[in-house]
Amino acid sequence: DAGVIQSPRHEVTEMGQEVTLRCKPISGHNSLFWYRQTMMRGLELLIYFNNNVPIDDSGMPEDRFSAKMPNASFSTLKIQPSEPRDSAVYFCASSLLWQDLGTEAFFGQGTRLTVV
Amino acid sequence: QKEVEQNSGPLSVPEGAIASLNCTYSDRGSQSFFWYRQYSGKSPELIMFIYSNGDKEDGRFTAQLNKASQYVSLLIRDSQPSDSATYLCAVKRPNAGKSTFGDGTTLTVKP
Repeated sequence: DAGVIQSPRHEVTEMGQEVTLRCKPISGHNSLFWYRQTMMRGLELLIYFNNNVPIDDSGMPEDRFSAKMPNASFSTLKIQPSEPRDSAVYFCASSLLWQDLGTEAFFGQGTRLTVV
Repeated sequence: QKEVEQNSGPLSVPEGAIASLNCTYSDRGSQSFFWYRQYSGKSPELIMFIYSNGDKEDGRFTAQLNKASQYVSLLIRDSQPSDSATYLCAVKRPNAGKSTFGDGTTLTVKP
């Protein structure tokens, strides 16, 4: 398996523009996570899906952020309009929720977003 | 108080020494515990997981869990410069899809 695939790897955009980040989870995994990482705040969970359904979006910072998972093999994170403070590395991760024990999360390579 | 606490470091050890990384958590219902390693500019990758009290060894790595004290640690024996990275502790409740991550401890192994 190729692992979790994210695109683009790097994105530079101007303030006010719409940004869409994409993720393909590992086949067979039923949980998908979007994280944001910055030096100041560390690794923050933005939202996670289980079986394509959003379970917890309490980490989504504002209404400017939205995430979708139309099917088991694809998810998007959209920022509209983007602001300089959104600059961060955004990771997508997937895992298999199995019985009572959580399994590890496999992370994609991340998208480094710079909003100027 | 953060749900998962780690010393931010940096922790510096000489090559060949034992590196000890510590993590405390506040949710007594946590059942799964993970250690991730993140090299600079890379994504986190799992190196150890532990579910039961006690020690779990995998090569040079040993994870230790004490649920009564709400404490999990990672020992790295015979530290190598290639072990220099940030180590993230993560905990998860039963049937929970998400893990809660600590802020990580940066380890530097000096040749």
